[in-house]
Amino acid sequence: GEDVEQSLFLSVREGDSSVINCTYTDSSSTYLYWYKQEPGAGLQLLTYIFSNMDMKQDQRLTVLLNKKDKHLSLRIADTQTGDSAIYFCAEIPGAGSYQLTFGKGTKLSVIP
Amino acid sequence: EAGVTQSPTHLIKTRGQQATLRCSPISGHTSVYWYQQALGLGLQFLLWYDEGEERNRGNFPPRFSGRQFPNYSSELNVNALELEDSALYLCASSFGQAETQYFGPGTRLLVL
Repeated sequence: GEDVEQSLFLSVREGDSSVINCTYTDSSSTYLYWYKQEPGAGLQLLTYIFSNMDMKQDQRLTVLLNKKDKHLSLRIADTQTGDSAIYFCAEIPGAGSYQLTFGKGTKLSVIP
Repeated sequence: EAGVTQSPTHLIKTRGQQATLRCSPISGHTSVYWYQQALGLGLQFLLWYDEGEERNRGNFPPRFSGRQFPNYSSELNVNALELEDSALYLCASSFGQAETQYFGPGTRLLVL
């Protein structure tokens, strides 16, 4: 089946690292994505990882993929107040299905 | 380069009316996806258009329909509006199938 799970809330202090976790069930997923949604806005693509990769780093963002456990994480280094938002993990399942399946989102609150 | 644009930004309708939402993809993108983000229900896939054809639809009733025009822009029509149709409707576009999807700012529909 297609199911993506995330914890709903995360609170961190400004300057600390944030780690947002995600699990998915479709082992044939090809790409896995992280999107950010600020209040009242659409989704902003943050980063993505191809399923044959273990890690991807992009400035303050690090994505780790454990394909065996179907676990994806997003680490934000030196978290800032502007990082406060909802973060969505999403996958494109395999088998000719090209729409995104999203988790329910993790609300990140950054405490100054 | 312009991103995905959607209009209107807000729409207020009453039960039983029809709503039309519009989306213009990024230049060069041929695939358009529609998603519904309703409170408490997360992001759910509605419809996918590619090269003018409907390629897939999510688990929504037939009163949700749409089309894609020769210039790849798209319309989402919702007939016989119900209160639970109140949501943020997000459009995304991609260069082709299974390519990264980029989202517009959304149309917030309120049904009274």
